[in-house]
Amino acid sequence: QSALTQPASVSGSPGQSITISCTGTSSDVGSYYLVSWYQQNPGKAPKVVLFEGTKRPSGVSNRFSGSRSGNTASLTISGLQAEDEADYYCCSYVGGNHWVFGGGTRLTVL
Amino acid sequence: QVLLVESGGGVVQPGGSLRLSCAASGFTFRGHGMHWVRQAPGKGLEWVALIWFDGSDTDYVDSVKGRFTISRDNFGNTLSLQMNSLRAEDTAVYYCARFDGSNSAGYFNSWGQGTLVTVSS
Repeated sequence: QSALTQPASVSGSPGQSITISCTGTSSDVGSYYLVSWYQQNPGKAPKVVLFEGTKRPSGVSNRFSGSRSGNTASLTISGLQAEDEADYYCCSYVGGNHWVFGGGTRLTVL
Repeated sequence: QVLLVESGGGVVQPGGSLRLSCAASGFTFRGHGMHWVRQAPGKGLEWVALIWFDGSDTDYVDSVKGRFTISRDNFGNTLSLQMNSLRAEDTAVYYCARFDGSNSAGYFNSWGQGTLVTVSS
């Protein structure tokens, strides 16, 4: 099972919106589309920011939102803030008790 | 609050073995599937292994199948990962993670701080 495809990096200025894509196949994102998204700051453990594609855990800003189209899931962060600068990973179930992560996207707030 | 604390990492020679542990507290451990996820230095996250809430089923990423064994002690609230025949490519920070929800809709809701495994001669 190959990793899901994410852009290596994205950037935006404070207040802007950015979108991170997560592209899989009909065997993963296209079938099990309720992907989750994780934020990871340097030297820290990942933290979930979206689950079931669009749901935010308690405590996660409503500036984080999710969507899906076909085999691609997306994470959008609106009203970008300096604290959003981090690495972001998507994750999908691929069947047979297996999961796969995306390669990760480094978000830079300019 | 939920707390997951990994231990057991270190430096090991290729072909050697290591056993990682994850002590869980702050939640009903026996009610959750548990996973190991690793991250090689400067690289992305990789799912490694899962064990069902009651230990009745386990599974592994192909690259560790036959070499790693995940287990749990629901009385002692501990998750383990026995790693044998270690290779250089197993070098990574290993995280234990609590899984919430069903397989297809679930997610890794809580993570430990990670423990570093270095395989080198």
